[in-house]
Amino acid sequence: DAGVIQSPRHEVTEMGQEVTLRCKPISGHDYLFWYRQTMMRGLELLIYFNNNVPIDDSGMPEDRFSAKMPNASFSTLKIQPSEPRDSAVYFCASSPYRGGTDTQYFGPGTRLTVL
Amino acid sequence: DQQVKQNSPSLSVQEGRISILNCDYTNSMFDYFLWYKKYPAEGPTFLISISSIKDKNEDGRFTVFLNKSAKHLSLHIVPSQPGDSAVYFCAATNTGFQKLVFGTGTRLLVSP
Repeated sequence: DAGVIQSPRHEVTEMGQEVTLRCKPISGHDYLFWYRQTMMRGLELLIYFNNNVPIDDSGMPEDRFSAKMPNASFSTLKIQPSEPRDSAVYFCASSPYRGGTDTQYFGPGTRLTVL
Repeated sequence: DQQVKQNSPSLSVQEGRISILNCDYTNSMFDYFLWYKKYPAEGPTFLISISSIKDKNEDGRFTVFLNKSAKHLSLHIVPSQPGDSAVYFCAATNTGFQKLVFGTGTRLLVSP
């Protein structure tokens, strides 16, 4: 299994530009999570999906952020317009559902720099 | 409002000694706790977990202790190895829920 795949691995953009981060979860996993890692706040959950349906988006910082999961094998996190304070590492994770709290498998992350 | 706190941003330990990483939580509803390890340029990976019905869980060199009354958990690594050098994240949730609340992480450096 290839694990969770994220692209791009690095993104450098200018303030005001649209940024799209992509994620392919592990096949067969029911849950998909988007996290943001910063020094000050650690790993923050932005949004998560169950069977392609958004369940909790309370961590999305503001309307500039949006996430979609059009099918079981693909999700996007979009920032429009981007701002320098959005600079962070963004992780996608997926987990199966076997009852209980299941292990989340993280992708390698996308390091976003907004100039 | 940080519900899960890791107050030590970094820890340095010599190889062979014990590493103790600490984590505090404020939400008394949390009843399931996890530790994840993260190497540079990689995503976090699951290390060990503990349910609130236990006060200790052991897996090889790694042991997690839970003190519910103090809302405190700790991860012990014995003996520490240079390959353990990484950032360790503590996380908490309610059993059955998939949403994890993570701390800010502790960077562990194990020197030979």
